[in-house]
Amino acid sequence: DVQMTQSPSSLSASIGDRVTLTCRASQGISNYLAWFQQKPGTAPKSLIYAASSLQSGVPSKFSGSGSGTDFTLTISSLQSEDFATYYCQQYYSYPLTFGGGTKVEIK
Amino acid sequence: EVQLVESGGGLVQPGGSLRLSCAASGFTFSDHYMDWVRQAPGKGPEWVGRSINKADTYTTQYAASVRGRFTILRDESKTALYLQMDSLRPEDTAVYYCARLPSAYNSFVYWGQGTLVTVPS
Repeated sequence: DVQMTQSPSSLSASIGDRVTLTCRASQGISNYLAWFQQKPGTAPKSLIYAASSLQSGVPSKFSGSGSGTDFTLTISSLQSEDFATYYCQQYYSYPLTFGGGTKVEIK
Repeated sequence: EVQLVESGGGLVQPGGSLRLSCAASGFTFSDHYMDWVRQAPGKGPEWVGRSINKADTYTTQYAASVRGRFTILRDESKTALYLQMDSLRPEDTAVYYCARLPSAYNSFVYWGQGTLVTVPS
C-alpha cells in the first residue's frame, strides 16, 4: 500500500500569510495526487487533482506542485475561510489512501 | 446537478450487520465509478471501496480493513449504490460517504452528506 505522510500536522498562520503544506508518498505515484480541504461537520472538498490542476470553481490562491513522491499545496494569501484541515490523497493504485492531514489554525 | 444522498446509518452491536444506501441522481449512473469513503470521529478520511462501472466490467475494489466483511453493490435500475456491512467492529464507527469522480484521472469531487454508523465497544 502507498503510505501518504503530511507535514506539518498543524500550523498557525496569520491572515495574508503564504503557507505551504507538504505530502510525501512512500513510493512513486506519478502525479496521481489530490488535495482536499475539510471544515468540521462537512464532507471534504476537492481543491487540486493531478497534483497541480485546479478543480473547477476553486480560487487560484490554491496551487499544487510535485511529482513522484513529493508534493506541496500552497495557499498564496491566507483568508479566514481557509482555516481548515487539508488532506492529500493518492489515486495511483489500490487501495486509495489519504494522508493524516494538516490543520491550519489562526495565529 | 449531481446529488448523492446516503441513508441507513445507525447504532449496531459488534458482530451485527447494516446496509447503507446512496441514492444518486443528476448523471448517468452506469457511466461512473462509485466509491465509499469513511471518516472516524476526529480522524482523516479512509477509502472503503469502489464499484467500477459497466464499461470496465462492474468489478469492485476494497480496503484491506473491510475486505471479506463489506460488500459494495450497485443497482442500475434504481441508480443506487449500497454498502452491505457484516461482522461490524467498534473500529468501523464512522461517518460513511458515497463519493464520485467527475472524470477519469481525477479524484472525489462529488460527495453525499454522509451517514453515521456507530458500533459500541
